[in-house]
Amino acid sequence: QVQLQESGPGLVKPSETLSLTCGVSGYSISSGYSWAWIRQFPGKGLEWLASIDHRWNTYYNPSLKSRVSMSLDTSKNQFSLKLNSVTAADTAVYYCVRYDYGSGSIFDYWGQGTLVTVSS
Amino acid sequence: QSALTQPPSVSGSPGQSVTISCTGTSSDVGSYNRVSWYQQPPGTAPKLMIYEVNTRPSGVPDRFSGSKSGNTASLTISGLQAEDEADYYCGSHAGNTFLFGGGTKLTVL
Repeated sequence: QVQLQESGPGLVKPSETLSLTCGVSGYSISSGYSWAWIRQFPGKGLEWLASIDHRWNTYYNPSLKSRVSMSLDTSKNQFSLKLNSVTAADTAVYYCVRYDYGSGSIFDYWGQGTLVTVSS
Repeated sequence: QSALTQPPSVSGSPGQSVTISCTGTSSDVGSYNRVSWYQQPPGTAPKLMIYEVNTRPSGVPDRFSGSKSGNTASLTISGLQAEDEADYYCGSHAGNTFLFGGGTKLTVL
């Protein structure tokens, strides 16, 4: 069974960089599939942020492209998100997910989510 | 690109059927059969319920079905049960991005 777990600071100051890591168990991230970050705002809307495949091809939400980056760490079987220059509008629950483009662009395994608050 | 449009809420009594719509554009829902639906009970992560417009993953009851016409996709839940009460989100591939709907709260009366 594939399991994902987010980790990182729950509080980030405005203008700083939000950094999150997602540990994956039950599947080797270098074997295939893509991996992604999705966030959910306090008002409940979902937003896809970024995806990365096992060949390190990255895809970013055009609305965030200049601020967001993803990377893989195959030695630790984890992947990461960095979001620069954060503001209060970036306060959200951040989910790491497995992304299956081949089966119709689906997010089939989700972490439990981690709340990140942007505040001084 | 804007989020897909869903009604904020729908409701139905146990045993009834409800349909949730998801309206996009010719650049997303209308161009791809990569429409999916997610169920999110309170305090939990979203769960995939439908993909590729009308395909159910293993374990999802056949009470859940999906369809699409033009730029609008729909999720129908028949034989409503109390456990179906949750938020539902649609999603669609949109070229160089992925869009979600704003979510619909389903209340089982």
